[in-house]
Amino acid sequence: NAGVTQTPKFRVLKTGQSMTLLCAQDMNHEYMYWYRQDPGMGLRLIHYSVGEGTTAKGEVPDGYNVSRLKKQNFLLGLESAAPSQTSVYFCASSYPISLARYGAFFGQGTRLTVV
Amino acid sequence: GQNIDQPTEMTATEGAIVQINCTYQTSGFNGLFWYQQHAGEAPTFLSYNVLDGLEEKGRFSSFLSRSKGYSYLLLKELQMKDSASYLCAVRDPSGGSYIPTFGRGTSLIVHP
Repeated sequence: NAGVTQTPKFRVLKTGQSMTLLCAQDMNHEYMYWYRQDPGMGLRLIHYSVGEGTTAKGEVPDGYNVSRLKKQNFLLGLESAAPSQTSVYFCASSYPISLARYGAFFGQGTRLTVV
Repeated sequence: GQNIDQPTEMTATEGAIVQINCTYQTSGFNGLFWYQQHAGEAPTFLSYNVLDGLEEKGRFSSFLSRSKGYSYLLLKELQMKDSASYLCAVRDPSGGSYIPTFGRGTSLIVHP
């Protein structure tokens, strides 16, 4: 069982470069999320999706874009990377609200450094 | 707005019991989650409370009081492998989103 798979696992970018983080889930979950985690800040929601073709902004969306063209995939794009985007990025997926008792499943994270 | 508070760090002894508290101030409430996160790894789901009371799952239990805006995670018979961060997340539907918001997490250190 793969669960939630993120690629890449590590990346170093130069300021101004762009990149896309890929998240894939094989559990047929409706909801998918992108979080960033910084020391002492906990998990902060960047963008989320409640179904194929839909996306919405979270707490810290500036500098990021997302797309959910297929139900199993959720892409996070950085258009012009900045040092402030150095972080660990987690993708997660879950069932809809009615099945909240199962919680969310997280990918292993992408460690991104912007120099 | 949402305000979720947890202690930053706690220490405990192997074999003991530890209680990790989470208090929240939200406009609405529709569920509280606890996650465990080992250093360098992904968070994993532990428990979900939506009604008042205690939910028990083996060595771990989670309690909720909606009137007090309070939850705790109780870990019994502590093991070294329980050293991890414990994240509380609250779902507040008042803004139209049912996406949980996370607290900053509590780092638990278990020593022999």
